[in-house]
Amino acid sequence: GAGVSQSPSNKVTEKGKDVELRCDPISGHTALYWYRQSLGQGLEFLIYFQGNSAPDKSGLPSDRFSAERTGGSVSTLTIQRTQQEDSAVYLCASSSRVAKNIQYFGAGTRLSVL
Amino acid sequence: GESVGLHLPTLSVQEGDNSIINCAYSNSASDYFIWYKQESGKGPQFIIDIRSNMDKRQGQRVTVLLNKTVKHLSLQIAATQPGDSAVYFCAEIRTSYGKLTFGQGTILTVHP
Repeated sequence: GAGVSQSPSNKVTEKGKDVELRCDPISGHTALYWYRQSLGQGLEFLIYFQGNSAPDKSGLPSDRFSAERTGGSVSTLTIQRTQQEDSAVYLCASSSRVAKNIQYFGAGTRLSVL
Repeated sequence: GESVGLHLPTLSVQEGDNSIINCAYSNSASDYFIWYKQESGKGPQFIIDIRSNMDKRQGQRVTVLLNKTVKHLSLQIAATQPGDSAVYFCAEIRTSYGKLTFGQGTILTVHP
């Protein structure tokens, strides 16, 4: 596709359920990033992939959060046993390996935990 | 800890005026400083960046200034248009690490 694609665009779930968020990066981009944007907050980094490996996962808030990337392309962010404080917009971005300063963002997945 | 912050949370201007959005940063080890624009319901959109060894960079209607002495970054938008209304975030990156560290954001409102 022409841009970064995220699905679903909206997700409503009950507290305690697991959710999976998907990101399709721009074709050819080897670097992929997940960020979280909470209401009234800025964007906070979660995890960074280079290819299929994650050199930096320092932003994952707890062990309920995990992410994987397969085939150097699609990535999924999984949140287990969701809590109300997990409600936020989850944004995915991708970049080329040599231009990490220019990250292209998807529209995000708005997660609401009831 | 390391942070990138903004002086003003909101800015209102008239169409045609020039806008200046400011940002303070604390991490001197950053390689690039970047401005992103975020419209409602969309992800952030890259506007312009500047390398840490530069002090000015111009794009189309936008100019970014970097003052390393006082750790200050600004975005100037010339002849602001209603379509410029959005939240503007400054960010910094050390490219060896990959992650962007964002400031809080400034809401720019352009009145016709």
